[in-house]
Amino acid sequence: GEDVEQSLFLSVREGDSSVINCTYTDSSSTYLYWYKQEPGAGLQLLTYIFSNMDMKQDQRLTVLLNKKDKHLSLRIADTQTGDSAIYFCAESMGGYNKLIFGAGTRLAVHP
Amino acid sequence: DGGITQSPKYLFRKEGQNVTLSCEQNLNHDAMYWYRQDPGQGLRLIYYSQIVNDFQKGDIAEGYSVSREKKESFPLTVTSAQKNPTAFYLCASSPGQGMTEQFFGPGTRLTVL
Repeated sequence: GEDVEQSLFLSVREGDSSVINCTYTDSSSTYLYWYKQEPGAGLQLLTYIFSNMDMKQDQRLTVLLNKKDKHLSLRIADTQTGDSAIYFCAESMGGYNKLIFGAGTRLAVHP
Repeated sequence: DGGITQSPKYLFRKEGQNVTLSCEQNLNHDAMYWYRQDPGQGLRLIYYSQIVNDFQKGDIAEGYSVSREKKESFPLTVTSAQKNPTAFYLCASSPGQGMTEQFFGPGTRLTVL
């Protein structure tokens, strides 16, 4: 079955880079997504990558995709306290208009 | 402004009562979704609808019901059959037609007393 796995917690110092990792199982996924959730709020779409790409950069965010290993990562450069949140990766289910979400990685940024 | 609204933000219910959570979107999206989020956990799909007057069960549909009579509205009813309804409920919509990105509302926190 389909499954998306993430590490649950990451702690970084302000100004350092953060790397959040994700593995997925559906090789027919067309798009992979990163969402951010702040406390008590809905999910905000941060960025996405098409499955035939291996990298996408958007300001401080860099997404890397290793399709062979079904591994996705999100790098946040110059991490700020405002980046503290839960980050979810999600894969689109091939042939269906549904997303499968990981359990989320809680990012804590400390001075 | 285009977006997704959910109301109310906080909802309290007595055990044994049904309650309906509202979700409205003005993005002209075809598809809409309901998720449940428990503390420290990811999102679990309750129901989804890809088009008006049609909907499908997700992974945890038992104890819930939905309707999709209008494109912009997808209300969720939490029935008394749902054994553990206290949770954060998130509604999302998606353009459909091959575009899979989902956009989320602010959520409703339901507490059963």
